[in-house]
Amino acid sequence: GENVEQHPSTLSVQEGDSAVIKCTYSDSASNYFPWYKQELGKGPQLIIDIRSNVGEKKDQRIAVTLNKTAKHFSLHITETQPEDSAVYFCAADNDMRFGAGTRLTVKP
Amino acid sequence: EAQVTQNPRYLITVTGKKLTVTCSQNMNHEYMSWYRQDPGLGLRQIYYSMNVEVTDKGDVPEGYKVSRKEKRNFPLILESPSPNQTSLYFCASSLIGGQQFFGPGTRLTVL
Repeated sequence: GENVEQHPSTLSVQEGDSAVIKCTYSDSASNYFPWYKQELGKGPQLIIDIRSNVGEKKDQRIAVTLNKTAKHFSLHITETQPEDSAVYFCAADNDMRFGAGTRLTVKP
Repeated sequence: EAQVTQNPRYLITVTGKKLTVTCSQNMNHEYMSWYRQDPGLGLRQIYYSMNVEVTDKGDVPEGYKVSRKEKRNFPLILESPSPNQTSLYFCASSLIGGQQFFGPGTRLTVL
């Protein structure tokens, strides 16, 4: 089955800086890679996703890049704000395995 | 409003007392699944269902049962709960191959 590894487990940045979270996956048949944000006391919510036919996707301050050859994909958040503080999860669609999560803290 | 609902949101019970956590979605999604979330372990899949009357084990199915008699409902059953099942549980639904929509979570404590 699919194995998804996510790094780092915690990330602390200053407001305005960029944050990058990386995931690797094992199953080359995976072709859908979503990112979810989980705020305190809530369920995860999709923030951006990418399919294997594109290498990069951007939505305002967030972007995702995908390297199918290396089997890794990354979430980039620019100009971070305190409300970006949350736990972020990556996933790969075969078996829908999730990474272990990254707790992002944005300090004002 | 398109949503996934779970009940109860909070539950404290004792070892061995059977319980059911309900999950319902109103988006006509084929795929539904249950996860448990524990500190440092992320989201681990318990069971999933690709359609009515079709269920499969996830990564951590021991001690749990599910059923999918109707498309909209996917209850999680703990026949004999144990303290190691104390966790935060999430139900999710999606179209096949699409983004998952998560419920608000059920915090279960087994004493």
